[in-house]
Amino acid sequence: DAKTTQPNSMESNEEEPVHLPCNHSTISGTDYIHWYRQLPSQGPEYVIHGLTSNVNNRMASLAIAEDRKSSTLILHRATLRDAAVYYCILRGRYGGSQGNLIFGKGTKLSVKP
Amino acid sequence: DAGVIQSPRHEVTEMGQEVTLRCKPISGHNSLFWYRQTMMRGLELLIYFNNNVPIDDSGMPEDRFSAKMPNASFSTLKIQPSEPRDSAVYFCASSPSTMWQERTEAFFGQGTRLTVV
Repeated sequence: DAKTTQPNSMESNEEEPVHLPCNHSTISGTDYIHWYRQLPSQGPEYVIHGLTSNVNNRMASLAIAEDRKSSTLILHRATLRDAAVYYCILRGRYGGSQGNLIFGKGTKLSVKP
Repeated sequence: DAGVIQSPRHEVTEMGQEVTLRCKPISGHNSLFWYRQTMMRGLELLIYFNNNVPIDDSGMPEDRFSAKMPNASFSTLKIQPSEPRDSAVYFCASSPSTMWQERTEAFFGQGTRLTVV
């Protein structure tokens, strides 16, 4: 299974941008890069996903390296409500677990006022 | 839509008892996932259904755990007999089932907090 590597924790100041990195050196050509986050005492929620091009939505931006071996989730202005565990996941089309969604340990983001 | 609905939200049971957790996926979603989350092991995928068929159950811990999806609108996760080490938060998630599964997003329920004493 393709795996991802993320820092265990990161800190940010409120209203500053946050860049959350993810390494996925074994990514295959058809794997999509997904990001989810889990707020305290809640289930995970979808943030964003992409394949090759950078992506933007109302929650965040996703910057994907040209070789696709790494990506960065960008929160443009962190708020206290963004404090959560952020998970970077590869979701593929082929293989025995087609479409599977497997979480790693994620990055715990703390936001300071 | 009310989202993914799990019941009960909290369950306390005695060791050895049977526990059944329930999940109602979002209408029209044909992929369903069961996860277990603990501090030690994080978020573990237990089983993944597509069109009511189990696709990957390699995460089911042992024979005490079983999951069913009798129709597209309902799934159960059963533990029999339960043990204290099964104490965890169990999440259910659903996503649309299309040819392009890898492009879809999954929606999670609020979870069931299980305590086995």
